[in-house]
Amino acid sequence: NAGVTQTPKFRVLKTGQSMTLLCAQDMNHEYMYWYRQDPGMGLRLIHYSVGEGTTAKGEVPDGYNVSRLKKQNFLLGLESAAPSQTSVYFCASSSDLVGWDEQFFGPGTRLTVL
Amino acid sequence: RKEVEQDPGPFNVPEGATVAFNCTYSNSASQSFFWYRQDCRKEPKLLMSVYSSGNEDGRFTAQLNRASQYISLLIRDSKLSDSATYLCVVTRGSTLGRLYFGRGTQLTVWP
Repeated sequence: NAGVTQTPKFRVLKTGQSMTLLCAQDMNHEYMYWYRQDPGMGLRLIHYSVGEGTTAKGEVPDGYNVSRLKKQNFLLGLESAAPSQTSVYFCASSSDLVGWDEQFFGPGTRLTVL
Repeated sequence: RKEVEQDPGPFNVPEGATVAFNCTYSNSASQSFFWYRQDCRKEPKLLMSVYSSGNEDGRFTAQLNRASQYISLLIRDSKLSDSATYLCVVTRGSTLGRLYFGRGTQLTVWP
């Protein structure tokens, strides 16, 4: 049982390049989330999904797109990376949407945009 | 006003000390409350949920005051392994699934 995994762990991009971050969970959770964490800002929700084929915007969605084609995977895309997207990205999943239960986080992806 | 505000820290305490963290939340409709722990360069992990009646888990005690919109975490007999950043987290019933994180309070326990 691997829990939540993320690939890649590290990435350096040039401004304007694109990339996709992959999140996978093996806990059969319905709900998945993408966060970014910046110094002094705390974790902020980018997008989330309440089930296969569904996505919704979070607090800071601009510049990102997501897809949930399979229940176990949640992809985060950057179409044209900008230095402001330099951050640590965490994926999370949960079995409960109301918020009573724990969210399980992946190990994070450290992205630098030059 | 931010949804969740925490003591900025950092807190530096000796082993064996008792340390308390405070957190306030701005939305009276907040529904559930948690403390997460985040080690350096690692992902957040749930430390404990916070219940209205207060709850304890070993050396950790969490309290909730809904009237004052205030949450606390008390750590007794601090260990070196308690060194981490502690994140106060709340949810709202009106925004399903969303966790609102405080910026975190950094704790360093020294020998």
